[in-house]
Amino acid sequence: GDSVTQTEGLVTLTEGLPVMLNCTYQTIYSNPFLFWYVQHLNESPRLLLKSFTDNKRTEHQGFHATLHKSSSSFHLQKSSAQLSDSALYYCAYMGYKLTFGTGTSLLVDP
Amino acid sequence: DMKVTQMPRYLIKRMGENVLLECGQDMSHETMYWYRQDPGLGLQLIYISYDVDSNSEGDIPKGYRVSRKKREHFSLILDSAKTNQTSVYFCASSGTTNERLFFGHGTKLSVL
Repeated sequence: GDSVTQTEGLVTLTEGLPVMLNCTYQTIYSNPFLFWYVQHLNESPRLLLKSFTDNKRTEHQGFHATLHKSSSSFHLQKSSAQLSDSALYYCAYMGYKLTFGTGTSLLVDP
Repeated sequence: DMKVTQMPRYLIKRMGENVLLECGQDMSHETMYWYRQDPGLGLQLIYISYDVDSNSEGDIPKGYRVSRKKREHFSLILDSAKTNQTSVYFCASSGTTNERLFFGHGTKLSVL
């Protein structure tokens, strides 16, 4: 069945350093939709990025991700982490239903 | 104003009691979802509803049932709650299954 893998449970960074959160997926569908959701403390998840176009960079609020169907990946990146980026990040895949990964907690230290 | 509203925000129940979690949305979205969120497990889909009286099991439906009699309302019912159903429950809605999900603020349920 469909699955989404986020290998890091916790990523700790110093402010100003680059961010990369990993996401890979498995599916039988040839045209997947991939999403990144962000959830700040005591809030609900909200959409950060989405893509269904192979090899096209998608950007929003300083974050970017590129869907690579050849490697089944949709890694989330940012050039310079800010304290306010500390949150829980979910990668999600849409096949016949939306499947979330287990989430990566990002902690940005001063 | 695009909103998903969940009631109540916090709930404490004893094992064996029945639990009703309610969710409403004002966007006329066809598709609605119930997820539970647990540390290390992420968001797990309990049920999905494609429209009124058109509900499908998600990944972890056991111990839960749902009701959708109006497009804007989607209820999650726990008959005889168990302690392992202590969790944060999120309701969400989307216009179609390929669109973004709008989440409610969650219900924190404790079953003692």
